[in-house]
Amino acid sequence: GDSVTQMEGPVTLSEEAFLTINCTYTATGYPSLFWYVQYPGEGLQLLLKATKADDKGSNKGFEATYRKETTSFHLEKGSVQVSDSAVYFCALRTRNQGGSEKLVFGKGTKLTVNP
Amino acid sequence: EPEVTQTPSHQVTQMGQEVILRCVPISNHLYFYWYRQILGQKVEFLVSFYNNEISEKSEIFDDQFSVERPDGSNFTLKIRSTKLEDSAMYFCASSRLAGGETQYFGPGTRLLVL
Repeated sequence: GDSVTQMEGPVTLSEEAFLTINCTYTATGYPSLFWYVQYPGEGLQLLLKATKADDKGSNKGFEATYRKETTSFHLEKGSVQVSDSAVYFCALRTRNQGGSEKLVFGKGTKLTVNP
Repeated sequence: EPEVTQTPSHQVTQMGQEVILRCVPISNHLYFYWYRQILGQKVEFLVSFYNNEISEKSEIFDDQFSVERPDGSNFTLKIRSTKLEDSAMYFCASSRLAGGETQYFGPGTRLLVL
């Protein structure tokens, strides 16, 4: 079945460091890909998405490019801030024959950014 | 900005008891979902719901689980006889449409079964 694998955390960085969180997927067809973020005490928020190969999703300085050839959707940010400390989830959206959709998530990567 | 809300934020129950987790989806959304995350594990899909019926359910969503939209605003997940392994964070989500619409998530209900 469809699945998402993302790098194990936790990740600890200093402010202004470069961030990469790796995400790869296994899926039939060409799913849409997402990064969700969960700040402490809050729900899952959509960070960015890409719906087809070579699309780049971006938001709040974060970027991820849909790479069909490597089945990857790595999250990057050039300069992290303390306020980026959160848990990041990579996900893909699948659709069954009846048209019903669901998200398949990775395990999440906890990022801590120190001042 | 509209948001999905969930109550309670935390619930502790005894094994074998029934629990109802409540969600208020975004008001003009038509598709509703429940996911759960057991501590340290992946967020897993449980069920999707549209037009007052289940669209899809996972293997986890067995006979002890049920969902309902009892009125125009609430969407509930009932666990009839809780087990220790039901302890998890339960997330409700909603989307306006299917076919590519973003799913918006609530803050979750942390359920602990003793």
